[in-house]
Amino acid sequence: NAGVMQNPRHLVRRRGQEARLRCSPMKGHSHVYWYRQLPEEGLKFMVYLQKENIIDESGMPKERFSAEFPKEGPSILRIQQVVRGDSAAYFCASSPTGVSVNTEAFFGQGTRLTVV
Amino acid sequence: GESVGLHLPTLSVQEGDNSIINCAYSNSASDYFIWYKQESGKGPQFIIDIRSNMDKRQGQRVTVLLNKTVKHLSLQIAATQPGDSAVYFCAEIAGGYQKVTFGTGTKLQVIP
Repeated sequence: NAGVMQNPRHLVRRRGQEARLRCSPMKGHSHVYWYRQLPEEGLKFMVYLQKENIIDESGMPKERFSAEFPKEGPSILRIQQVVRGDSAAYFCASSPTGVSVNTEAFFGQGTRLTVV
Repeated sequence: GESVGLHLPTLSVQEGDNSIINCAYSNSASDYFIWYKQESGKGPQFIIDIRSNMDKRQGQRVTVLLNKTVKHLSLQIAATQPGDSAVYFCAEIAGGYQKVTFGTGTKLQVIP
């Protein structure tokens, strides 16, 4: 059973371009979380999705950022018109149900976005 | 609320010594806590967890202590090894929709 797969591992975009980050959860997992991490800082929650539904997007910037988790295929975090401040590591985690005492979330290796 | 970004505090320990990493959490309604280890260039990895109705839990070489009175967590690593060098984050989960909220993190450096 492969772990959480994120691609690409590294992504370079020029200012104004779009960035698309993909996350394939572990097999059987229908809950996905996205986090952003700046260098030397903690992980900041962005969005929590279940299949075809956004459960909590309280950590998403109001503009330029969107996320989806379709019935088929990976979860996508999309950043439009990227700016240098978007440069960070973006991590995805998945779990079979919501995280709880008996249910762990597993993290991917992250996508490192660099905006030049 | 969300923790403000800060440069990570660093703890340096000699190989073989015990390490204690501390964390203050913010939400008194949190009912579950997790410690994660993050090695350079990798995603967070689960180490140990504890429910809010417990004050201590032991794993292999690791112990987590919870003090709800002062909203404080600690992670103790016995006989620290070079492979323990990483950034350690505490995380809290409040009831409801199970969002994991991370603390700021501590960088552990093990001196051979």
